[in-house]
Amino acid sequence: GQSLEQPSEVTAVEGAIVQINCTYQTSGFYGLSWYQQHDGGAPTFLSYNGLDGLEETGRFSSFLSRSDSYGYLLLQELQMKDSASYFCAAGGKLIFGQGTELSVKP
Amino acid sequence: GAVVSQHPSWVICKSGTSVKIECRSLDFQATTMFWYRQFPKQSLMLMATSNEGSKATYEQGVEKDKFLINHASLTLSTLTVTSAHPEDSSFYICSASGGQPNQPQHFGDGTRLSIL
Repeated sequence: GQSLEQPSEVTAVEGAIVQINCTYQTSGFYGLSWYQQHDGGAPTFLSYNGLDGLEETGRFSSFLSRSDSYGYLLLQELQMKDSASYFCAAGGKLIFGQGTELSVKP
Repeated sequence: GAVVSQHPSWVICKSGTSVKIECRSLDFQATTMFWYRQFPKQSLMLMATSNEGSKATYEQGVEKDKFLINHASLTLSTLTVTSAHPEDSSFYICSASGGQPNQPQHFGDGTRLSIL
């Protein structure tokens, strides 16, 4: 089977840095993806790691360690608009973690 | 960037009605499409994998006779919820990729289905 574990919620203040961790168990690993979803909206692709290491896209970075079956999403210079649910996902047919609800406070 | 269009955005209908949802890849060929369902405050649950020109593969617990999937072309997959009941009310989302495992999936805007 496949499963991905991530914290259910995280709270941070504007301007801060937050890290959302994800550990996974999948059959046939095809990389780890991260998606953002605002209330009522569809998921938006943020980042993908196919190999170990750090991928940086603006304020967002994602890291993968395949030997540890672990990855994280790093959000820097947090803004109020970053309040959303964040999902890690993996597998040939994309299976999602339970999601982390990020609340950014003023 | 890749665009996936999903239609309709909202559906409200009576119990017993069948509802068809379309998912189109607008600027790329989608050999594989996926259908998800999401209940409030929950994660996306994969319902089925749709492959162009072949039968869909359903996840465990998903009734294939109730959720009919057709992927007749490289740009269009449809999900038909047959004889819908209130418990089928949910947010249905499709995604599409080019078929390679390391290509990111792109999601449609979702269809909010409400069965009265």
